[in-house]
Amino acid sequence: DAGVIQSPRHEVTEMGQEVTLRCKPISGHNSLFWYRQTMMRGLELLIYFNNNVPIDDSGMPEDRFSAKMPNASFSTLKIQPSEPRDSAVYFCASRKREDSDEQFFGPGTRLTVL
Amino acid sequence: GQSLEQPSEVTAVEGAIVQINCTYQTSGFYGLSWYQQHDGGAPTFLSYNALDGLEETGRFSSFLSRSDSYGYLLLQELQMKDSASYFCAVLNQAGTALIFGKGTTLSVSS
Repeated sequence: DAGVIQSPRHEVTEMGQEVTLRCKPISGHNSLFWYRQTMMRGLELLIYFNNNVPIDDSGMPEDRFSAKMPNASFSTLKIQPSEPRDSAVYFCASRKREDSDEQFFGPGTRLTVL
Repeated sequence: GQSLEQPSEVTAVEGAIVQINCTYQTSGFYGLSWYQQHDGGAPTFLSYNALDGLEETGRFSSFLSRSDSYGYLLLQELQMKDSASYFCAVLNQAGTALIFGKGTTLSVSS
């Protein structure tokens, strides 16, 4: 099993640019999560999908952030326009079922907004 | 909402035993999870306690007391490779996604 795949692994962009982060969950997993990690705020849940449907987006910081899951094997997190305070590591995670104990995390995308 | 408290840093020497505590406040409780994260890496699952008591998995054990809203991760026979951040986590109120504590950085020295 390839695990959760994220791309790119590193992204450096300038303020105001659009950023798109990509995630491929583990095959057969029906729950997908986007988290953001910073030193100040720790690991924050941004949005949660179940069976490709957004269930809880209360953690999305503001309208500049949007996430989609067009099919069971692909999700995107978009920031438009990006700001320096968006600099963080963004993790995607998947889970086999809603009642599973374990979430599997991808390697993360380290985003730097200059 | 859900909130978790854990120490920010713990230091220990190789071969020692260390306990990382976690207290939580939740609206609805489904269980306490622990994750390990090495610097620059992804969080990885260590354990999950839904019921009171101690769960042992090799050198690592996890304990839960639901009446005290408290749990801990116990690491025995510490090795240098155990140097990492350790996060406790609970499910959100809807029981659908994990909410993490701020993490405890464990430094193991020789």
